[in-house]
Amino acid sequence: GQNIDQPTEMTATEGAIVQINCTYQTSGFNGLFWYQQHAGEAPTFLSYNVLDGLEEKGRFSSFLSRSKGYSYLLLKELQMKDSASYLCAPSYGGATNKLIFGTGTLLAVQP
Amino acid sequence: DADVTQTPRNRITKTGKRIMLECSQTKGHDRMYWYRQDPGLGLRLIYYSFDVKDINKGEISDGYSVSRQAQAKFSLSLESAIPNQTALYFCATSSGEGGYTFGSGTRLTVV
Repeated sequence: GQNIDQPTEMTATEGAIVQINCTYQTSGFNGLFWYQQHAGEAPTFLSYNVLDGLEEKGRFSSFLSRSKGYSYLLLKELQMKDSASYLCAPSYGGATNKLIFGTGTLLAVQP
Repeated sequence: DADVTQTPRNRITKTGKRIMLECSQTKGHDRMYWYRQDPGLGLRLIYYSFDVKDINKGEISDGYSVSRQAQAKFSLSLESAIPNQTALYFCATSSGEGGYTFGSGTRLTVV
């Protein structure tokens, strides 16, 4: 498998910053996606990194280090609606571009 | 209308029954996927198809079959449903160059 590792659960306070880490196997790696999933709903796209570095999009940023097989999702100014699972999904296989999903990090935002 | 539509949204069926879950898309994507999601196990790939004549097994294909009736339609069948197939099922599409777009999911209960 692709050995995707991310924390199972995290708790943070409204208004704070939280960083969700993800490590993955680098062999055959193309790029990495982050998805948000609220309970019982479909995953929705948050970010995509293919090059090393930080991609910023509003309150959410995502970082990638290809050589280390490491990514993180940074959520700033947390809101209660950010309580959800965050799925790390590296893609592999060149033209096949097949996504493999981690088990997700369940984030609970508390008042 | 949603880009990726799954029917039914919810289904309860009896052990041993044959059931079909349907997925249709308006995104014009060639690639379609079926995943199941169980608590604590994340999204697991059942089958995927890169075009109408291409069908591939995923990591958990036993007990399932698929049909790619057209570019826009990809159905998943459970030939003889069993209780451990109770799960949330997602269909997804991709252009092959980016992330996936997911349907809203089908919650299947086998009693």
